[in-house]
Amino acid sequence: DTGVSQNPRHKITKRGQNVTFRCDPISEHNRLYWYRQTLGQGPEFLTYFQNEAQLEKSRLLSDRFSAERPKGSFSTLEIQRTEQGDSAMYLCASSLGLGRRLPETQYFGPGTRLLVL
Amino acid sequence: DAKTTQPTSMDCAEGRAANLPCNHSTISGNEYVYWYRQIHSQGPQYIIHGLKNNETNEMASLIITEDRKSSTLILPHATLRDTAVYYCIVRAPRENNDMRFGAGTRLTVKP
Repeated sequence: DTGVSQNPRHKITKRGQNVTFRCDPISEHNRLYWYRQTLGQGPEFLTYFQNEAQLEKSRLLSDRFSAERPKGSFSTLEIQRTEQGDSAMYLCASSLGLGRRLPETQYFGPGTRLLVL
Repeated sequence: DAKTTQPTSMDCAEGRAANLPCNHSTISGNEYVYWYRQIHSQGPQYIIHGLKNNETNEMASLIITEDRKSSTLILPHATLRDTAVYYCIVRAPRENNDMRFGAGTRLTVKP
């Protein structure tokens, strides 16, 4: 399967614990995005990487959240001191950026569903 | 804020065409119309996108009105597996940072 993969698919944790999610994008894609989706809502943008550079962060990304893409390939999203309000599906997407004037298509992974007890 | 308006829900009979409307009356000249769908508990799946011409691929057809203020996604022969939430998104190439999802249309295909 050459699509976007995410691990783990499900995570249950206790409030106050740290969690880390991994995303492996489509191999030639230079752009990677993280989104969060709560029940009944559409996905909401969290952050975006072009290669290893983190270029955009949403105000939804509090200082308890950190994302990295160290070698411009896979990415990790860490949530420190989890809260019950962090319970959501965390989605990763990747795309091949061809320039600012050309449309790009984002391809999504299956998501990691987080439940904070 | 999402720049599109979609009906909350729609039903379609299996085997019939599903026509999903989307209003985007404030669309700019360089903004594309994208459609994604999300089957329960899965990540969003790309369907199709277009600028002003009608587009067709193996999954669906996209019809964009001449004034570009609205569009329709057509699934020509809906199956039970097409039951999903369908999202219509408008996005300019310069906004290469995120997709702005609204609430989408929940399509239920019935036997």
